[in-house]
Amino acid sequence: DSGVTQTPKHLITATGQRVTLRCSPRSGDLSVYWYQQSLDQGLQFLIQYYNGEERAKGNILERFSAQQFPDLHSELNLSSLELGDSALYFCASSEGQALTYEQYFGPGTRLTVT
Amino acid sequence: AQKITQTQPGMFVQEKEAVTLDCTYDTSDQSYGLFWYKQPSSGEMIFLIYQGSYDEQNATEGRYSLNFQKARKSANLVISASQLGDSAMYFCAMRVVNDYKLSFGAGTTVTVRA
Repeated sequence: DSGVTQTPKHLITATGQRVTLRCSPRSGDLSVYWYQQSLDQGLQFLIQYYNGEERAKGNILERFSAQQFPDLHSELNLSSLELGDSALYFCASSEGQALTYEQYFGPGTRLTVT
Repeated sequence: AQKITQTQPGMFVQEKEAVTLDCTYDTSDQSYGLFWYKQPSSGEMIFLIYQGSYDEQNATEGRYSLNFQKARKSANLVISASQLGDSAMYFCAMRVVNDYKLSFGAGTTVTVRA
C-alpha cells in the first residue's frame, strides 16, 4: 500500500458525460501528479500540482482539468468524454520536487467510456 | 525531450533464476534520475529502485539492482532469485532536473515459471 488513495476504483460512463476522479496523497506529500495509462499511448503524464499550484502540464486535453485543494487532495475532471478516454488514471504523490523524490502511485481509477 | 526505450516486450524466467530487463534512455540533460516500477496484474504501480545520474555506485534494493552504464545511457534492472510473485509488467522511467514528470518506457512483461 503506497499510502495514496484514489476513488472511485472503477467508473463506467457514456460518451459526452463528465466525471471527477479524486486523489488523496500520502501524508506530508505536497506534490500530486496525474498520469493516464492506455493500451495505445502507454503511460503519459497529464499534470502536476505542488502545494495547490499547477507546476507542470503534459499531454492533457483541454476537456480535462485538475486542481489541488488546501487539504492537498486533488481532483481530475474529464468532460465531453470520448471512447478514447477509456484508460487507467493514476495519481501519484511525492514529498517534494527534487529529483531524488520517488513518486508513489495510487491504485488507479479505471475509466470505461461506452 | 526524454525518451525511454524498453526493447523486450515479454520475457520468461525460471523460478530462482536471475533476469535482466533492458532500458536505454536519451536525454541531453546531465542531471536526471532513473526509476523502475512494477505493475502486477492488479494494476497498481509499485516503486522499486532509483538511480541518480551522479551516483557512482549502482543502486540496490533487496533482490533488485540497477546496472547503470552512463556512457551507454542504459539502466538495466536485474531481479535476482526470481519468485512467482515477480510476474508483472516492469516499467523504466526517467525524470530530468526541473522537469517534474516521469517519462515511461513501453514496459516489459515478466513471467516467472515454477
